[in-house]
Amino acid sequence: KNEVEQSPQNLTAQEGEFITINCSYSVGISALHWLQQHPGGGIVSLFMLSSGKKKHGRLIATINIQEKHSSLHITASHPRDSAVYICAVRVLRGNKLVFGAGTILRVKS
Amino acid sequence: NAGVTQTPKFQVLKTGQSMTLQCAQDMNHEYMSWYRQDPGMGLRLIHYSVGAGITDQGEVPNGYNVSRSTTEDFPLRLLSAAPSQTSVYFCASSYTHPGVYGYTFGSGTRLTVV
Repeated sequence: KNEVEQSPQNLTAQEGEFITINCSYSVGISALHWLQQHPGGGIVSLFMLSSGKKKHGRLIATINIQEKHSSLHITASHPRDSAVYICAVRVLRGNKLVFGAGTILRVKS
Repeated sequence: NAGVTQTPKFQVLKTGQSMTLQCAQDMNHEYMSWYRQDPGMGLRLIHYSVGAGITDQGEVPNGYNVSRSTTEDFPLRLLSAAPSQTSVYFCASSYTHPGVYGYTFGSGTRLTVV
């Protein structure tokens, strides 16, 4: 079993819909990252969380340390949000990043 | 600021050839790392460095070498390319390890070994 599991693997939404992507992990962590990878491959860091909630524009990320779970929400989704969203955790032992396999999001107009 | 610059963007190698993937950052980041990304899998750590002169192995180091002679540069060397090394490679850096301020990624190198 992977240390970081994301769901769903694939997600198709209509423009304007509220989107939720989930990330569960099984190891002790010091922080969790949400990343965005657009077609063409570049990876951009969206959020780094160690507790609570962060918001940037239409994106909201939450983390529940006790439940070892994080969610990324996109409000009023737009076709330009189409990308792969990747969850990564910074594990306590060894201080390395462990990545989820990613969620492929497609937003249709 | 250029951020993290990776070259080349695309490369085709024959089995047994060697090559170096370049990674440079201009943010004075101490921590630099190399990952490979394969279909259906998360990024996997190949090698990393916490400062000039210091390198260590990650999850999948076999077949790759690194060096860190300067803060700015962290090249990845494929010693004798194999088809199993066909992948997309990303370099990433941060101010400190374990990345208090988050990570900056390069644009990737798509490598095909035939």
